[in-house]
Amino acid sequence: AQSVTQLGSHVSVSEGALVLLRCNYSSSVPPYLFWYVQYPNQGLQLLLKYTTGATLVKGINGFEAEFKKSETSFHLTKPSAHMSDAAEYFCAVSDRTDSSYKLIFGSGTRLLVRP
Amino acid sequence: EPEVTQTPSHQVTQMGQEVILRCVPISNHLYFYWYRQILGQKVEFLVSFYNNEISEKSEIFDDQFSVERPDGSNFTLKIRSTKLEDSAMYFCAGGTVAYEQYFGPGTRLTVT
Repeated sequence: AQSVTQLGSHVSVSEGALVLLRCNYSSSVPPYLFWYVQYPNQGLQLLLKYTTGATLVKGINGFEAEFKKSETSFHLTKPSAHMSDAAEYFCAVSDRTDSSYKLIFGSGTRLLVRP
Repeated sequence: EPEVTQTPSHQVTQMGQEVILRCVPISNHLYFYWYRQILGQKVEFLVSFYNNEISEKSEIFDDQFSVERPDGSNFTLKIRSTKLEDSAMYFCAGGTVAYEQYFGPGTRLTVT
């Protein structure tokens, strides 16, 4: 069965510093992988996704993630943190059948950005 | 840019009452999902819906839950007899392709 592990429930960085949020997955089929962001009192916004093709995927707000099959990882990075990046970030893997691609989520990582 | 919307934003109900949570997906969405997030826990899949029928459901989605899309726009989740443990944030999601899901802002359900 598919599963996702996010290392670190909280990550704190200074404004302008590199952001690295870790995600490891387990999947019995080639995975479809996603990062979502949740701002306070809001829903989940799709940041980026990997399905097939290029393993480095770029998303919104300057974020990118790299699919590494050998490491079963899909870590999220951003070169320079901004105060507005403070939010909770969820990694997810798709557990798919013919007509359903339910998402299996990690526990989330709360990103804190210090001025 | 069109967005998935959900109503109400917050619903308070007494144990044993029926609740209906409503979602309006983007008009070209074909695949629909409900998820929930109990406070402090992971987002969990409840049910997927395609071509006017349930395509997959989780163990959580028992006989107390039902979904329908009666008028081709609204997508509803009904809980027939709410329990305290149903208190959670409920998210609707939709997409034109099954694997790309756009979430609504959620409905916070509080069962007292």
